Amino acid sequence: DVKVTQSSRYLVKRTGEKVFLECVQDMDHENMFWYRQDPGLGLRLIYFSYDVKMKEKGDIPEGYSVSREKKERFSLILESASTNQTSMYLCASSPSGTGQGNTEAFFGQGTRLTVV
Amino acid sequence: TQLLEQSPQFLSIQEGENLTVYCNSSSVFSSLQWYRQEPGEGPVLLVTVVTGGEVKKLKRLTFQFGDARKDSSLHITAAQTGDTGLYLCAGEGAGGTSYGKLTFGQGTILTVHP
Repeated sequence: DVKVTQSSRYLVKRTGEKVFLECVQDMDHENMFWYRQDPGLGLRLIYFSYDVKMKEKGDIPEGYSVSREKKERFSLILESASTNQTSMYLCASSPSGTGQGNTEAFFGQGTRLTVV
Repeated sequence: TQLLEQSPQFLSIQEGENLTVYCNSSSVFSSLQWYRQEPGEGPVLLVTVVTGGEVKKLKRLTFQFGDARKDSSLHITAAQTGDTGLYLCAGEGAGGTSYGKLTFGQGTILTVHP
């Protein structure tokens, strides 16, 4: 059974803390993603990685950084957590695309982060 | 930035009714995917449409990709309470590293009442 695993389901952090969210996939996928999900805003892409050590900014990268040292692991880092980063964070992976639609994204269960 | 406008944001209907959810953009996508998300879980793929004008059916669900590959619709016939959930459309970028990069719409929360 294919799997994307996020390290925590729930996390509470204080303003100003450095926060690490970890994601591991076991499908040998090239692409990995970090999204945040907020009511009424859908999933917004924070960062996208299409290969080891390769990354692209998504639509809302401010306040975040990422690391992909190994193919199976993609980490999201909140450099200095703020209350407006309280959200659901979803990690996903998919095969690299060829324009034929063979890029189904598999998601983890999400991390509900609260910054107080 | 490629934007996807999904509508309506909320849909509350009675069992047996039909409904349509729309996904529109000014950008061209190489494919359009529809996902469904249950509370406490990540989204799960329902279908992918690739060719302009393509229509795919999944039991009572019909998915259509616009001719220009900029828009899509999801139609549910005779909705059931088990269809309740969050429906998300996602457009895949076209070209180079944009292949596989998914942009999501805002989502439609569907509630089907018995």
